[in-house]
Amino acid sequence: AQKVTQAQTEISVVEKEDVTLDCVYETRDTTYYLFWYKQPPSGELVFLIRRNSFDEQNEISGRYSWNFQKSTSSFNFTITASQVVDSAVYFCALSLTSGTYKYIFGTGTRLKVLA
Amino acid sequence: GAVVSQHPSWVICKSGTSVKIECRSLDFQATTMFWYRQFPKQSLMLMATSNEGSKATYEQGVEKDKFLINHASLTLSTLTVTSAHPEDSSFYICSAEDPTVASDTQYFGPGTRLTVL
Repeated sequence: AQKVTQAQTEISVVEKEDVTLDCVYETRDTTYYLFWYKQPPSGELVFLIRRNSFDEQNEISGRYSWNFQKSTSSFNFTITASQVVDSAVYFCALSLTSGTYKYIFGTGTRLKVLA
Repeated sequence: GAVVSQHPSWVICKSGTSVKIECRSLDFQATTMFWYRQFPKQSLMLMATSNEGSKATYEQGVEKDKFLINHASLTLSTLTVTSAHPEDSSFYICSAEDPTVASDTQYFGPGTRLTVL
């Protein structure tokens, strides 16, 4: 069975702190894709990153970085020097490569960055 | 980047009426679109996969006669909630794949908040 687990329901940090959002996935497929999306209070999902299962290189984009560990089936997301504008719900998703690339979403982590 | 729009952004209707929600890909053609439902403080649940020119594929437990999906063109999919009831109140989000970029990446619309009185 395919599943995405985001164990952290809600995290609060003070501005400028670093924060890591955890994502653990389950799949029997050898080829798959992992994603992170941000959902601010407005509701629209914003695409952050896509990673395929064969690319375990970590990625950095500005204050954002992602750590993909296939051995532990984890795809964690770190925000460095957090800002109030980072406050949102963050979803991790797994895409199956068979058929229509359906997404399986985690339950999301609500991040609150306090000024 | 790929832009997906939804209309309306919110709607309030009386119980028993039908509501149509439109999802458009603005700067690309999407052969596949997806419809999700999100209840407050919960995750997105896939309702159906909409394929241009063919019948939608519904997820288990989703009533196809209640949630009618029409994907009549490469840039438009519609979701009609028929005979809506208060329990249908939710945030409905569509997404579309841009096959010219990556067929596995979905771009999401801004969502439609439906309230059924």
